[in-house]
Amino acid sequence: SQTIHQWPATLVQPVGSPLSLECTVEGTSNPNLYWYRQAAGRGLQLLFYSVGIGQISSEVPQNLSASRPQDRQFILSSKKLLLSDSGFYLCAWSQINEKLFFGSGTQLSVL
Amino acid sequence: GENVEQHPSTLSVQEGDSAVIKCTYSDSASNYFPWYKQELGKGPQLIIDIRSNVGEKKDQRIAVTLNKTAKHFSLHITETQPEDSAVYFCAAHLPLRDYKLSFGAGTTVTVRA
Repeated sequence: SQTIHQWPATLVQPVGSPLSLECTVEGTSNPNLYWYRQAAGRGLQLLFYSVGIGQISSEVPQNLSASRPQDRQFILSSKKLLLSDSGFYLCAWSQINEKLFFGSGTQLSVL
Repeated sequence: GENVEQHPSTLSVQEGDSAVIKCTYSDSASNYFPWYKQELGKGPQLIIDIRSNVGEKKDQRIAVTLNKTAKHFSLHITETQPEDSAVYFCAAHLPLRDYKLSFGAGTTVTVRA
């Protein structure tokens, strides 16, 4: 069966520090991978998605970047965090035109 | 357009009563409509989905209906229990945009004991 791992679960970072969130998927190959952000009490905002290694599409202009160094690994990064980067970050995967499955999320607080 | 509208934003029901959440979509090419349940501090979990060749689908106490002509679909939870309290999101596929999902804004459901 397929599983998705996302870490860390919580993260507190000072403004201006770098960020790296990692997500891996097991039990499937060539998945579509996604990073979503959820502000407190708000909906799901798609940040990035990837249909293959090295292929990244950005949905919204922002302070963050994403990379896919391996087929089942998706990384969300920032060189310098802003206060507005705080939120709940969710990694997700799907096969094309199939169900979308989310990871457990990372609660990021930028202070 | 790609918008998915979801109503209501909050819903409080007495335990044992039914809860209904409604969504409308604008992209007539959409053909897949999932529903997610998100508990506090956790990732959304897929609870039920429906494809456009089906009008209704049931799974125990939850059901989803789809009216493709009117471009709306609904989630029905019967005999609600306290563990049904969560935020629920509807979504619609966007076939012309790499099959990404467009999500509704969410409904916070509270089941009163």
